[in-house]
Amino acid sequence: NAGVTQTPKFQVLKTGQSMTLQCAQDMNHNSMYWYRQDPGMGLRLIYYSASEGTTDKGEVPNGYNVSRLNKREFSLRLESAAPSQTSVYFCASSTASGMNEQFFGPGTRLTVL
Amino acid sequence: AQSVTQLGSHVSVSEGALVLLRCNYSSSVPPYLFWYVQYPNQGLQLLLKYTSAATLVKGINGFEAEFKKSETSFHLTKPSAHMSDAAEYFCAVSFSGNTPLVFGKGTRLSVIA
Repeated sequence: NAGVTQTPKFQVLKTGQSMTLQCAQDMNHNSMYWYRQDPGMGLRLIYYSASEGTTDKGEVPNGYNVSRLNKREFSLRLESAAPSQTSVYFCASSTASGMNEQFFGPGTRLTVL
Repeated sequence: AQSVTQLGSHVSVSEGALVLLRCNYSSSVPPYLFWYVQYPNQGLQLLLKYTSAATLVKGINGFEAEFKKSETSFHLTKPSAHMSDAAEYFCAVSFSGNTPLVFGKGTRLSVIA
């Protein structure tokens, strides 16, 4: 099993450009999450999907959109990138929200110039 | 508001010394509690979790944590630090079975030879 995979691993964008971060899991998990990690800020939840067909905002959703394409895939889109979105983005999945362990992908390092 | 606090953004210990990383949460109801570790340039992996069974929880790599309801704490300990323990450690809390994890800001552990 590959677990949680993310593409790309690295990306450099110019201000105003758009891009989609891809995430897939092969553990048959119901819930998936997108976080951003910034120095001294820990992990902050951007969006999550408790189950296929549902998505909810997290702590820092502004400037992002998500799509739960199917049970395996959960993508994060930046429509018009800003330097403040320079960060490391992690996708995670779990059997269900809350009480269950989350499994994390390796991350995408995004720089917006 | 419900929150999780990690005391100390950076902890430095000598090899062989006790490791103590502190985590406190604010909630009147015992939550689900987790400790994750992040090695450089990697995603997060689970060290241990508390889900209302035994209050002393043993995890991987010799780490353990004790849930103390009266102190609303879930501190992480290891009797003897090893160089390979150098990493960032995150405490995470779910305040109900249906909500995503809330992460602390992290504590970077350095181990000195």
